[in-house]
Amino acid sequence: EAGVAQSPRYKIIEKRQSVAFWCNPISGHATLYWYQQILGQGPKLLIQFQNNGVVDDSQLPKDRFSAERLKGVDSTLKIQPAKLEDSAVYLCASSPRTGRGMNTEAFFGQGTRLTVV
Amino acid sequence: AQSVAQPEDQVNVAEGNPLTVKCTYSVSGNPYLFWYVQYPNRGLQFLLKYITGDNLVKGSYGFEAEFNKSQTSFHLKKPSALVSDSALYFCAVRDMDNAGNMLTFGGGTRLMVKP
Repeated sequence: EAGVAQSPRYKIIEKRQSVAFWCNPISGHATLYWYQQILGQGPKLLIQFQNNGVVDDSQLPKDRFSAERLKGVDSTLKIQPAKLEDSAVYLCASSPRTGRGMNTEAFFGQGTRLTVV
Repeated sequence: AQSVAQPEDQVNVAEGNPLTVKCTYSVSGNPYLFWYVQYPNRGLQFLLKYITGDNLVKGSYGFEAEFNKSQTSFHLKKPSALVSDSALYFCAVRDMDNAGNMLTFGGGTRLMVKP
């Protein structure tokens, strides 16, 4: 079974530029997550999709971050404009489904390391 | 709001000795609990999970974890550490009674196993 695919693996941009990350979840997985992991910290959930609907985006800085999951499969996360503090690893994960009583773990991609200079 | 605490930034242990990585959690409902491991420049790999039933859960690579409801803890353990176990370990929790079902992570604990 193929895992969660993310691209690019690394990206360096200047502050105020824009950047986009792409994620292809495991086939058939309804739930997709984007996490931000700053160096030395645990992953912080940015947004969670169930199919193509948003379940939670309470920690997404909506003035500069946006995400979409058209057709309930692939997803893109965009930052515009980027700030120095956005330097982090952006992790995408998927799980078969979530909801009350669902006990599935999430499967993670290798992440995109963003450096903002 | 749900949360996870990993009180130790780093745990040092000699190869062959038992190891424990601590985790406590807070949720309003009943918890699903998970441990993940992260090697350098890699994503998170699932190790084990607690859903219901036996409080001692066995997972990958000889790791196990003990769920303690009264202490709201889910400590990760291994009877005999290997140098290759050196990595970053994350505890995570879901609230099984919440339809949104967010997966919340702790800050991580670096495990260093010395030969």
